[in-house]
Amino acid sequence: AQTVTQSQPEMSVQEAETVTLSCTYDTSESDYYLFWYKQPPSRQMILVIRQEAYKQQNATENRFSVNFQKAAKSFSLKISDSQLGDAAMYFCAYRSSKGPNSKLTFGKGITLSVRP
Amino acid sequence: GAVVSQHPSRVICKSGTSVKIECRSLDFQATTMFWYRQFPKKSLMLMATSNEGSKATYEQGVEKDKFLINHASLTLSTLTVTSAHPEDSSFYICSAPGMVAKNIQYFGAGTRLSVL
Repeated sequence: AQTVTQSQPEMSVQEAETVTLSCTYDTSESDYYLFWYKQPPSRQMILVIRQEAYKQQNATENRFSVNFQKAAKSFSLKISDSQLGDAAMYFCAYRSSKGPNSKLTFGKGITLSVRP
Repeated sequence: GAVVSQHPSRVICKSGTSVKIECRSLDFQATTMFWYRQFPKKSLMLMATSNEGSKATYEQGVEKDKFLINHASLTLSTLTVTSAHPEDSSFYICSAPGMVAKNIQYFGAGTRLSVL
């Protein structure tokens, strides 16, 4: 079974600075998807960024980028130019590529606070 | 992107009553939907996979008689918490894979259930 580990329960960053959220996972599969989801106080889950395991290039979405290290099974999220609206809980998630309806496996999440 | 609507957003009920939560895919069809439970500051715990036209698949430890799931159409899945008790109080979230990008899960806004 796949597992996703987020070992840092909380992090804090100064507004306009850069922060990196860590995530590791364990799987025996070679093809899969990785995601970072944001859950603000409203509790609506928002997709931040995704990565296909077969792609070597790291995904980027505006201020958000990932460092995907497949051999190390590491998938960290970098947030540049942090904004107050980035304060939220962030979840790393894994999804197998087998079958169109595979379930997501989530990490425990990390609470990010942004200092003005 | 695809939109998943979840209703109600908040429900308060007396102990012993049943509560129904609806999850609708608004602009796409979803043969599969997922139901999660989330405690404050915790991760999402998958409860069951809802399958259109067939029985739901429950995760280990989830009481299927307690949490009834019905996937009556390609756009609607319902979760009924039967004979609710205070320990069932929680945040319940549904999700569905997109039609085009099936590797992406789209989440409802969640339902906060409080059982008195």
